[in-house]
Amino acid sequence: GAVVSQHPSRVICKSGTSVKIECRSLDFQATTMFWYRQFPKQSLMLMATSNEGSKATYEQGVEKDKFLINHASLTLSTLTVTSAHPEDSSFYICSAPRTSGGDTQYFGPGTRLTVL
Amino acid sequence: EDKVVQSPLSLVVHEGDTVTLNCSYEVTNFRSLLWYKQEKKAPTFLFMLTSSGIEKKSGRLSSILDKKELFSILNITATQTGDSAVYLCAVQRGSTLGRLYFGRGTQLTVWP
Repeated sequence: GAVVSQHPSRVICKSGTSVKIECRSLDFQATTMFWYRQFPKQSLMLMATSNEGSKATYEQGVEKDKFLINHASLTLSTLTVTSAHPEDSSFYICSAPRTSGGDTQYFGPGTRLTVL
Repeated sequence: EDKVVQSPLSLVVHEGDTVTLNCSYEVTNFRSLLWYKQEKKAPTFLFMLTSSGIEKKSGRLSSILDKKELFSILNITATQTGDSAVYLCAVQRGSTLGRLYFGRGTQLTVWP
């Protein structure tokens, strides 16, 4: 079964609103989670590393004030797209590494964001 | 600049054919290379390769890494329509497990 969940799976919002996406590790603790973005017919682009108990680390070119990340607990990271615009419409995917039993990376099912 | 390049970008075959997908990389502080299959949603894990020359196999899929020439291949034998998907290659750099850099993927279409 799924080991990383995301909520919501799909969201449509008006331009200028903020949208929060949750990523949960279901049966393991993740001190680190990752947020990716995927535009149509493009690959996954790493946006940021979410660190439990400390600030997120953003990749070059990703606006930290626009994409707010909070790693509230060892099983939950949230990504808030602030003042969303149509160009933010994308597929947002989180992942969490699980080190017990070998290095394995689990992806969430993704969130499709459409900004009108 | 770090990069992960996959080829071909798309491939159309008939059921039963064998396909080879390529991934070359130039990254600093290489740790491992991973292959994923992506259908409509999030990628599903296929292989993780860290050592050169050791083939990993799962059913009809196999993969190998060449750390000297900086590439990996993913082979699929006796393809089926269910193999139709985008196959993604990703490289992990440094010590942070899970921080992945992806190639653009190969869109594989298998016709019956």
